[in-house]
Amino acid sequence: DQQVKQNSPSLSVQEGRISILNCDYTNSMFDYFLWYKKYPAEGPTFLISISSIKDKNEDGRFTVFLNKSAKHLSLHIVPSQPGDSAVYFCAASDGGATNKLIFGTGTLLAVQP
Amino acid sequence: GAGVSQSPSNKVTEKGKDVELRCDPISGHTALYWYRQRLGQGLEFLIYFQGNSAPDKSGLPSDRFSAERTGESVSTLTIQRTQQEDSAVYLCASSFAAGANVLTFGAGSRLTVL
Repeated sequence: DQQVKQNSPSLSVQEGRISILNCDYTNSMFDYFLWYKKYPAEGPTFLISISSIKDKNEDGRFTVFLNKSAKHLSLHIVPSQPGDSAVYFCAASDGGATNKLIFGTGTLLAVQP
Repeated sequence: GAGVSQSPSNKVTEKGKDVELRCDPISGHTALYWYRQRLGQGLEFLIYFQGNSAPDKSGLPSDRFSAERTGESVSTLTIQRTQQEDSAVYLCASSFAAGANVLTFGAGSRLTVL
C-alpha cells in the first residue's frame, strides 16, 4: 500500500513560469514532510521541508504548502529554471525512533528554455 | 568524508550469485539507512542503523538480504542468491542523529542481475 503518492509521473513547464508538484499521503501520523530532488546518476538531495504544525514554508524560489485536512502537500517553484529539471520526490516521516522516510514515486520535471 | 560514498557504482551479476554493496557515511553521522529504487518506483526503505542499537530491519524484502555496520562507520549490504527482481539502485543515506529528518544520500550502487 503506497502511503505517499505522487500521481503525476511527469510535468513540463516553460522557463520563468510556475511549477507545481503535488503529493498526497494516507497516514495521519506523518508529522514531517520533505521534498528531495534527484538528477540522473546522483543521489537525492534535500530541497525543502515542512512540519505538520505549519501550512507553508518558503525558501527562495521554493515554497511547500501543506493541507493536513486533505492530506496533501505541494511544491511550488517560481520562476522555474532549466536547471530545475530533475525528478522530485515527496517524503514523509512519522517522527518515530527510526525516523525512516516514506517516499513517493517521484515526478520528473522538465523546464523548457 | 565530505559526502556519503558508495561502491561499486555499477554491478552486473548473474542470477544466483552473491553481491556486496558498501556504504561509507559522512563522518560523525550516527544514523545510516539503506534504500532501494527499482525502475519506475519510489525509494523503498530497507534497513536502519543507529549506534549500538539493534537495527530496524523491517524493510528487508527477504532473508536473502542482510546488512552490517561496524560501529558508526562503514556498512555493507549483502544480497545472497540474487534474483532478477533484485535489480535496482541501492541508495545509502546518513544523518547526524537518530530522529534527524534530513538524510544525506550517496549516489547509489546500480545492481543489474542477468
